Amino acid sequence: AQKITQTQPGMFVQEKEAVTLDCTYDTSDPSYGLFWYKQPSSGEMIFLIYQGSYDQQNATEGRYSLNFQKARKSANLVISASQLGDSAMYFCAMRGQDTGRRALTFGSGTRLQVQP
Amino acid sequence: GAVVSQHPSWVICKSGTSVKIECRSLDFQATTMFWYRQFPKQSLMLMATSNEGSKATYEQGVEKDKFLINHASLTLSTLTVTSAHPEDSSFYICSARVAGINTGELFFGEGSRLTVL
Repeated sequence: AQKITQTQPGMFVQEKEAVTLDCTYDTSDPSYGLFWYKQPSSGEMIFLIYQGSYDQQNATEGRYSLNFQKARKSANLVISASQLGDSAMYFCAMRGQDTGRRALTFGSGTRLQVQP
Repeated sequence: GAVVSQHPSWVICKSGTSVKIECRSLDFQATTMFWYRQFPKQSLMLMATSNEGSKATYEQGVEKDKFLINHASLTLSTLTVTSAHPEDSSFYICSARVAGINTGELFFGEGSRLTVL
């Protein structure tokens, strides 16, 4: 079984500052993938960043970077230079070894509010 | 590319009626689609895996006779909430994988917000 834990129900950050959203995971699969999605109030799920368990380097996508610490089973999302439009729910998710047919397992989410 | 469209976005129905939600992959073929449910301020919970041409696989605790899933083509999966009750009011969101994208990323529809009166 897979489990994703996000311990921060809500976070505040000042505009233009960086923020880290925590995510820890548990799985018995030797190969897995970790994702971060953003969900604004409209409800759509927007893919932000992906990290494979065998990737040697931490993933980066623009202002988003993933701090992957495999031994600690953590995959924290770092958002640099926060913008007002970053205010949303953020979900950490995981897929197991079988990429073809298995769904993603989601954490409980963190609500980020960016303050001007 | 990789657009998933869901319809309707909003639906209000009376208790006891049935509601159908459509999920279409617009520019790719999806042999597998996933249906999630999200209650207010909660996470996405997987309801079922929809497989083209075969029966859906339901998660534990999800009533297959209440949530009928049909995946009759490679671009369309439907979720029918039968005899809806107020406790079925929720945000239903579908997703699909694109063959060849090995990360396993899911592409999501816009979601359908169901309110049962």
